Amino acid sequence: DAKTTQPPSMDCAEGRAANLPCNHSTISGNEYVYWYRQIHSQGPQYIIHGLKNNETNEMASLIITEDRKSSTLILPHATLRDTAVYYCIVGNTDKLIFGTGTRLQVFP
Amino acid sequence: DAGVIQSPRHEVTEMGQEVTLRCKPISGHNSLFWYRQTMMRGLELLIYFNNNVPIDDSGMPEDRFSAKMPNASFSTLKIQPSEPRDSAVYFCASRSTRETGELFFGEGSRLTVL
Repeated sequence: DAKTTQPPSMDCAEGRAANLPCNHSTISGNEYVYWYRQIHSQGPQYIIHGLKNNETNEMASLIITEDRKSSTLILPHATLRDTAVYYCIVGNTDKLIFGTGTRLQVFP
Repeated sequence: DAGVIQSPRHEVTEMGQEVTLRCKPISGHNSLFWYRQTMMRGLELLIYFNNNVPIDDSGMPEDRFSAKMPNASFSTLKIQPSEPRDSAVYFCASRSTRETGELFFGEGSRLTVL
């Protein structure tokens, strides 16, 4: 599975957009980009995933570069409840390996 | 839909005791995963099953750990004998391999081995 690189931590003001970057330069053609988050000690929660095209759902948007070597998760209007560790993972429909993620702190 | 159900939520035991963690995946999901999370090592994949068959157990730490999935609605992770370094939160997750999407995680079982 391809590895990912994420900044260890980020801050975001409440109400502003949170843009979380992820580098995955060794991604292969059949691997998806997945984003999960983990709030405090709960189980990780799925956010969004994509292969080539940008994706949007009720939680977030996923922007994947044309060469697929990096992506950005966008939370359009961050709230305090979005404070969590965000994991970017690349993989296929088999196992998903979690890295260390980005700890996002949303402040008032 | 009740989601992935894990039990017990918390377990405190003494070194050398056998520990059994249980998981009920979401009905209709045919893949099941066991993860372990510690501060030092983060989220580690221990083993996963497709259609009740273990596919990859390369993450299982050692022979003290074993996992079974006797049917589509139940899985166990057993540690025998347990050691203090096994203290962690153990998560079970399931997904449908017919889709390319999400893993659904349970709330985890917090194990403390004294």
